Amino acid sequence: QLQLQESGPGVVKPSGTLSLTCAVSGGSISSNTWWNWLRQTPGKGLEWIGEVHHIGNTNYNPSLKGRVTMTVDKSKNQISLRLNSVTAADTAVYYCARANSVPDGMDVWGQGTKVTVSS
Amino acid sequence: DVVMTQSPLSLPVTLGQPASISCRSGQSLVDSDGKTYLSWFQQRPGQSPRRLIYRVSNRESGVPDRFSGSGSGNDFTLKISRVEAEDVGIYYCMQGRHAPPTFGQGTKVEIK
Repeated sequence: QLQLQESGPGVVKPSGTLSLTCAVSGGSISSNTWWNWLRQTPGKGLEWIGEVHHIGNTNYNPSLKGRVTMTVDKSKNQISLRLNSVTAADTAVYYCARANSVPDGMDVWGQGTKVTVSS
Repeated sequence: DVVMTQSPLSLPVTLGQPASISCRSGQSLVDSDGKTYLSWFQQRPGQSPRRLIYRVSNRESGVPDRFSGSGSGNDFTLKISRVEAEDVGIYYCMQGRHAPPTFGQGTKVEIK
C-alpha cells in the first residue's frame, strides 16, 4: 500500500527558503504517475502548488511566480519541494500527493506537515 | 484560474438523513475527450483530504455507496444518502480540466 510522508523544518524565516521532502514507501517513485505538492490554509483553503514526474517533467502553479522547484530523487524514493523568498502568506500545512492523472485528482495523500514562516 | 463555488458552506444534518452539496465551476469542465474532470474530497477532522469521487460520479475503491456524485458541464452535486457519524468533516470539489487545478472553499458537514 502506497504511503507518503512529508518532512522538513516547521519554521522558516521570512525571505528564506522552504524545503520539504516526501518519502514514498510501498511503491516505486518511477511508476507512471505524477507527484504533487499542495498546501492548505484557513484563509485560502486548498491550493495546488505543482507536480513532478519521475522523468523530470514539472508543472507549477503560476501564482507562485517562479519561486517553486520540485525534484525527484530516485535513489531515495523521495520527492522534494523548494519554495524561495517565503513570506507569512506561505504559512500552511503542506501535503504531498499522488495523481495517476492530475485532472482526476490526487488519490493518495501524505499526512501533511505544518510550516510557519516567522522570524 | 477557474473558480469553484460550493454551497452551502455549512451543512448541519441529522443522522440517517440525506445531505447534498452543490459545486459550480466558472467554466465548463468537459474536456475535448468528452470526459468531465470534477472530483470530490472528504477531509475528516485532523486528517488529510481523501478522494471520494472522480470524473463526476466514479467512486473511489472503498468509498461507501451512500456517497454519489452527479452533474454535468458547470454544475455538480455530491449526495450522501444517509449521513453517518463518520461522515463529519469538510467536503471539497476540485476541477482538473483547466490548469492549475482548483478547489472549492469547502462545505462543513456536522451532525445536528
